[in-house]
Amino acid sequence: DAEITQSPRHKITETGRQVTLACHQTWNHNNMFWYRQDLGHGLRLIHYSYGVQDTNKGEVSDGYSVSRSNTEDLPLTLESAASSQTSVYFCASSDHRPVGFQTQYFGPGTRLLVL
Amino acid sequence: QKEVEQNSGPLSVPEGAIASLNCTYSDRVSQSFFWYRQYSGKSPELIMSIYSNGDKEDGRFTAQLNKASQYVSLLIRDSQPSDSATYLCAVRGGSGNTGKLIFGQGTTLQVKP
Repeated sequence: DAEITQSPRHKITETGRQVTLACHQTWNHNNMFWYRQDLGHGLRLIHYSYGVQDTNKGEVSDGYSVSRSNTEDLPLTLESAASSQTSVYFCASSDHRPVGFQTQYFGPGTRLLVL
Repeated sequence: QKEVEQNSGPLSVPEGAIASLNCTYSDRVSQSFFWYRQYSGKSPELIMSIYSNGDKEDGRFTAQLNKASQYVSLLIRDSQPSDSATYLCAVRGGSGNTGKLIFGQGTTLQVKP
């Protein structure tokens, strides 16, 4: 079955380290998204991509980067991890219907703790 | 004013009752609206989408959309303890060719046996 996966599922890192979170989908969706979820803030968009070589900043992009070299993957990199980036990270992709009807499907999430 | 607003709750209802969850949005030209359910420690799961004014029913769930008043609601009939979760309202921006969603903070629903 087609799906969206994230790895690792849990990660502990230290302040200042570079961290990369993986997102892989097998639906062949063009659109992919990264969110973070924190108590009191809901889901906030970090970066998104509408296709290979396309990346865009979301509302909370500072300190994060993404690259899209193929359709299936959108890795999220924390350039220099900060304690404020401790969060749950969700990757999502949306289907091929006309944009007004597209539905986003979420991966299982990655819990990141920055010490 | 937040773009998508929900009462964080918790909303507590007895088993078998109707749970009513509400969401308001600020962008008058928004076109697409979604309800996601999120169990504790899990990822959001789509349960309903609605694009036109009026009601849309799917099993025990009914989504209601009123674009003039800029609100969307979710009714859960015959609530079950398994419906206890956080319900996220999401709105797609209205203008331009955008796939982005804006999420509310979610309403926590507790269904008591």
